[in-house]
Amino acid sequence: RKEVEQDPGPFNVPEGATVAFNCTYSNSASQSFFWYRQDCRKEPKLLMSVYSSGNEDGRFTAQLNRASQYISLLIRDSKLSDSATYLCVVISYNQGGKLIFGQGTELSVKP
Amino acid sequence: SQTIHQWPATLVQPVGSPLSLECTVEGTSNPNLYWYRQAAGRGLQLLFYSVGIGQISSEVPQNLSASRPQDRQFILSSKKLLLSDSGFYLCAWCLGGTSYEQYFGPGTRLTVT
Repeated sequence: RKEVEQDPGPFNVPEGATVAFNCTYSNSASQSFFWYRQDCRKEPKLLMSVYSSGNEDGRFTAQLNRASQYISLLIRDSKLSDSATYLCVVISYNQGGKLIFGQGTELSVKP
Repeated sequence: SQTIHQWPATLVQPVGSPLSLECTVEGTSNPNLYWYRQAAGRGLQLLFYSVGIGQISSEVPQNLSASRPQDRQFILSSKKLLLSDSGFYLCAWCLGGTSYEQYFGPGTRLTVT
């Protein structure tokens, strides 16, 4: 079983739609969580840190469920510019603080 | 503000040739530095990380090596490239301590022919 698993997609949605991505992790000692965005042939960019209580940044909402070991990212009112691959990232302090990346979920927003 | 540079942006090298990729960070001191590889259609694989000058930890045994000759300089090298070394090489930095967010450079796209 992979340490971090994501549905690879692609998710094809129309502009204005709400889309949600889930990510599951296997190491219960995982302590910090992030979502990164990666555009085609570009470097990943930090989108959001994920806090225990959940957090929101504009159209983006991240939530963490420690009991079920999953993280979610909700994007409201999708824009064409949201088209990218979204990477779920987990850190386990008992692994020296290494970032463990999921394979990514591809989102394509259509006009 | 901090910036991270990588060069070259793209590289085409024959099998068996040497490799040297460079990464530099500006605007911070004593960052943690990382080298990742992303093969086509696959996730990021951590290759090396460094918490200080001359301190290198290897995650994956292979024909690559890394060095950190200066505080904000991280170099990825190979003496003889393999076809399987093709990929997108990304350097990243983070502040370390209790700060785990990593920030990536623009990457080097390497094609071994």
